[in-house]
Amino acid sequence: AQTVTQSQPEMSVQEAETVTLSCTYDTSENNYYLFWYKQPPSRQMILVIRQEAYKQQNATENRFSVNFQKAAKSFSLKISDSQLGDTAMYFCAFMFSNTGKLIFGQGTTLQVKP
Amino acid sequence: NAGVTQTPKFQVLKTGQSMTLQCAQDMNHEYMSWYRQDPGMGLRLIHYSVGAGITDQGEVPNGYNVSRSTTEDFPLRLLSAAPSQTSVYFCASTTNREGSPLHFGNGTRLTVT
Repeated sequence: AQTVTQSQPEMSVQEAETVTLSCTYDTSENNYYLFWYKQPPSRQMILVIRQEAYKQQNATENRFSVNFQKAAKSFSLKISDSQLGDTAMYFCAFMFSNTGKLIFGQGTTLQVKP
Repeated sequence: NAGVTQTPKFQVLKTGQSMTLQCAQDMNHEYMSWYRQDPGMGLRLIHYSVGAGITDQGEVPNGYNVSRSTTEDFPLRLLSAAPSQTSVYFCASTTNREGSPLHFGNGTRLTVT
């Protein structure tokens, strides 16, 4: 069975600085996808970034990038130039193949301070 | 484009009452699913469907029923609510393409007293 672990329940960062959120996962599969979702206080679930396991290149989306280490089963999210609007809970999630099902980590609450 | 629509946004039930959480999507997505979110536990899969007429259990299915009579709708039924079902519930949908990200509704906060 696949599991996803986020070991940092809470983090904080000063505005304009860089922060990295950690995520590790466990699977014996080779064909899978990894995601980071953001949940602001509005409760909405917003896709931040997506990574295909078969791609070695790390995904990037503007200020958001990942460090995908397949052998170590690690998938961390780096947020550069943090903004107040980045304050949210962040979830790491795993999807096997085309199942359409996500397995989530416990979440990390990020606070960006002015 | 409405995306995934969940109703209601909030609900309070007494123990033993029943109710249905509604979910509809207008993106013609094949896959639909229900998750519950509890503090410190992330989101956990309750039930999912890969198409009309096909449903299956997720990680925490006990106490919940689903059906999928159309592509658009995927209601979640609580037959006899229990305080342990106090949670935030999310409906999600996606295509059957490999690695397609899930689109989520805005959630329903359910309190069972």
